[in-house]
Amino acid sequence: AQSVTQLGSHVSVSEGALVLLRCNYSSSVPPYLFWYVQYPNQGLQLLLKYTSAATLVKGINGFEAEFKKSETSFHLTKPSAHMSDAAEYFCAVTSFYSSASKIIFGSGTRLSIRP
Amino acid sequence: GAVVSQHPSRVICKSGTSVKIECRSLDFQATTMFWYRQFPKQSLMLMATSNEGSKATYEQGVEKDKFLINHASLTLSTLTVTSAHPEDSSFYICSARRQGTSKNTEAFFGQGTRLTVV
Repeated sequence: AQSVTQLGSHVSVSEGALVLLRCNYSSSVPPYLFWYVQYPNQGLQLLLKYTSAATLVKGINGFEAEFKKSETSFHLTKPSAHMSDAAEYFCAVTSFYSSASKIIFGSGTRLSIRP
Repeated sequence: GAVVSQHPSRVICKSGTSVKIECRSLDFQATTMFWYRQFPKQSLMLMATSNEGSKATYEQGVEKDKFLINHASLTLSTLTVTSAHPEDSSFYICSARRQGTSKNTEAFFGQGTRLTVV
C-alpha cells in the first residue's frame, strides 16, 4: 500500500522568501514520487518527478525536491517565491514497477504569496 | 510532452439526466486511464481505474452503476454519470499513463470537467 502525507494545508510566504512544502510518503515498494501544481479550475501540471535516478530533482519554475529515503520525505522547495507561484500543490506516489499502478495524492497544500 | 484532452470542460445538467465525459490521450497510447473526483479545496480522490478492453476497477465506496466507465480504445476513456443528482456536482479529472515503458510513469492530466447538477 502507498500513501502520502502533506504537512500543512496552507502555507503563506512573502514574495522573494523561501518556499518549503512538506511531503512524507509510505510505500511497501520502491516509489516514484511527483509534485503537481493546480491553478483554480484547471487540471494538474507536473512540476517534477523522482524516478530513482538522482535524489535531488529539479523541476519547472525554479522548484526542486530532494528524495530522502531515510526520512521517507520528498519536500518541495523554491529559493525565492514569486506571486505567480500561488496555487495548490499536490504530492503524489506510485509504484516504480508498473505504469498501470494507481497514483495516490496527498491532501494538498495551498501556497499563498504575500506582496 | 504528452497531452490528455478532456471534454467538456464545463457542463450543467438537470437532475436525473446523464452526462458523459471524454478523456483522450492525443499522442500516446494508454492501456490504463484513471478517473478522479475533486471536491472544492480538497485533494483528488481516485474513483476508478479504466482498463482498455476490460472492466474498470472501482475504488471502495464508488458506485459502478452510477459512474459508468468505458475504455473502448487505447486513446479514449469515457465516464458517464448516470441519473445525476446535485451531490454529484464536482470537478472530475482524468489521467493517463504511457503504455509499456517504465521510463514514463508520470501521469498526464486532462483539464478537468466541472459538473454542476441543478
